[in-house]
Amino acid sequence: SQQGEEDPQALSIQEGENATMNCSYKTSINNLQWYRQNSGRGLVHLILIRSNEREKHSGRLRVTLDTSKKSSSLLITASRAADTASYFCATDSSAGANSKLTFGKGITLSVRP
Amino acid sequence: DAGITQSPRHKVTETGTPVTLRCHQTENHRYMYWYRQDPGHGLRLIHYSYGVKDTDKGEVSDGYSVSRSKTEDFLLTLESATSSQTSVYFCAISEPRGFYGYTFGSGTRLTVV
Repeated sequence: SQQGEEDPQALSIQEGENATMNCSYKTSINNLQWYRQNSGRGLVHLILIRSNEREKHSGRLRVTLDTSKKSSSLLITASRAADTASYFCATDSSAGANSKLTFGKGITLSVRP
Repeated sequence: DAGITQSPRHKVTETGTPVTLRCHQTENHRYMYWYRQDPGHGLRLIHYSYGVKDTDKGEVSDGYSVSRSKTEDFLLTLESATSSQTSVYFCAISEPRGFYGYTFGSGTRLTVV
């Protein structure tokens, strides 16, 4: 069953605008990750935020985590046409050293030139 | 992606035939995973491995088996392919605890006719 649920399902913005994508999940987690997938390609890891962190940055990416609301958001600032892709949140609720990611259904982001 | 390759990239097979997909890594990562991706479902975990000869079932394991006889190879077998197993299959690798994210292969597009 899906742990993470992304919102919105699709997003279309103009180049230069910011894109905000949300993810909600149901059970407690160790960490939450965001991935990008370009059409016909494999997933690429973007950023990981641990359950004891509230915010993390990586280049134009900013991710927040609110464990009390069981939600996360991914912000892409100053979007580019090359950011057009599907974005997935994934949660890891595994115990110990084992890791198993559960993925949401994804958000399709279109950035218009 | 560098360090992980899947073969074949595309395959068409007939219902009822056995099919084996291969995932090969050169990163010496302990954890390997098989996911399937279908429209409307995102990625769903089929099986995973946390070491040689150590495997476990994921969310959608029925009809699939796996083997890992050496660190670098993780095989996914469809014992008797069905049309419902038409999908894109992704292999992924990670370090213990997955704190650096997963690295995905480029996928195998399998069509069962």
